[in-house]
Amino acid sequence: DAGITQSPRHKVTETGTPVTLRCHQTENHRYMYWYRQDPGHGLRLIHYSYGVKDTDKGEVSDGYSVSRSKTEDFLLTLESATSSQTSVYFCAISESLVGDTIYFGEGSWLTVV
Amino acid sequence: TQLLEQSPQFLSIQEGENLTVYCNSSSVFSSLQWYRQEPGEGPVLLVTVVTGGEVKKLKRLTFQFGDARKDSSLHITAAQPGDTGLYLCAQGGSEKLVFGKGTKLTVNP
Repeated sequence: DAGITQSPRHKVTETGTPVTLRCHQTENHRYMYWYRQDPGHGLRLIHYSYGVKDTDKGEVSDGYSVSRSKTEDFLLTLESATSSQTSVYFCAISESLVGDTIYFGEGSWLTVV
Repeated sequence: TQLLEQSPQFLSIQEGENLTVYCNSSSVFSSLQWYRQEPGEGPVLLVTVVTGGEVKKLKRLTFQFGDARKDSSLHITAAQPGDTGLYLCAQGGSEKLVFGKGTKLTVNP
């Protein structure tokens, strides 16, 4: 298994509160991603990173921000959580961007009430 | 953004049956990946296909890439309960990987 750890694995939070999800990798892969998975929508890319301090938006980036201060850590922040952000969040890593194997973490279940 | 259509959306079969699921696009794939996701876990890569007409086999799973590289299929022979899961196709091109919505397969004992 690829060395990817997501934390927390489960969280319930109230609307309007900030939430940060952490992804930690031990593979030294250059690329890191945050996806959300929802019924009827599949996996959708939120943000990705192609190096330390280098990030870019994905398909559903509104309401989310990310930071990567070290190769091994990629943080996803919901500045003010909304109920529409209730989802399962997956971190993923890859060595390259095009056609390479993407390894996924085990997911973080977030419920916003 | 290229859209990937997967069909069927849901499939429930009995152990021992054969099945095929499909992944289609209106655009040409540069490469296509198939993933399987089990409940409560992240997706895991099964195979990558790159060349039109390519066929790859992984035990009882056969993956085919269409000649025009706009479609792909996954065929499972003699399905087992352990094959239960969500099967996702993903297109990799010049940008980030784009996923289809998946086929949820249930194999009943």
